[in-house]
Amino acid sequence: ETGVTQTPRHLVMGMTNKKSLKCEQHLGHNAMYWYKQSAKKPLELMFVYNFKEQTENNSVPSRFSPECPNSSHLFLHLHTLQPEDSALYLCASSQDGGGVRYNSPLHFGNGTRLTVT
Amino acid sequence: AQKITQTQPGMFVQEKEAVTLDCTYDTSDQSYGLFWYKQPSSGEMIFLIYQGSYDEQNATEGRYSLNFQKARKSANLVISASQLGDSAMYFCAMREGRAGGTSYGKLTFGQGTILTVHP
Repeated sequence: ETGVTQTPRHLVMGMTNKKSLKCEQHLGHNAMYWYKQSAKKPLELMFVYNFKEQTENNSVPSRFSPECPNSSHLFLHLHTLQPEDSALYLCASSQDGGGVRYNSPLHFGNGTRLTVT
Repeated sequence: AQKITQTQPGMFVQEKEAVTLDCTYDTSDQSYGLFWYKQPSSGEMIFLIYQGSYDEQNATEGRYSLNFQKARKSANLVISASQLGDSAMYFCAMREGRAGGTSYGKLTFGQGTILTVHP
């Protein structure tokens, strides 16, 4: 299997539930990302991991908790979400070489469409 | 200030014709990369084409080409010979390269342009 795989594709959860989104990349990349895409808004970067270390937390509420056990896997743990958290959550990966990052594209998964009721 | 601006919320094109999707960007970095992505209704973000700030030639990938005008800070996507399957949302994005800068390495997206190809 190649590329970036996200599961589940769709998720409906109540505000008191706890769930997790999973992302796996088969590209040998060293950086992984979570993005949020809400209707009528640009994509918002949430978290960045580089070699399993979190390098970016873009002021994301603590009800979103990322986990990166290795360079190939990324999770987003969700708890006590709000209806406004309903969105498409996209995982991505890239191969960033040393200090040069601007020339490598991010490769995205299909996303998880989350609905919070 | 917006780093990436896509001024066309929606565009229509006849099948087999060419279409240009506009993108302007704002950065003070010398090193940066510009990317175009396609997002069909299924949701996946598909990487199409890349242009580096130091590249002197316009990037091309099959039917996609990037009209890069550095002085104007524009990076328009040209799709030639449009196909029905090209109907999707298209995003312009940028990664800035100045190490230590607040935007270092981040991929920043524009608002997107919805392209509809008519038969």
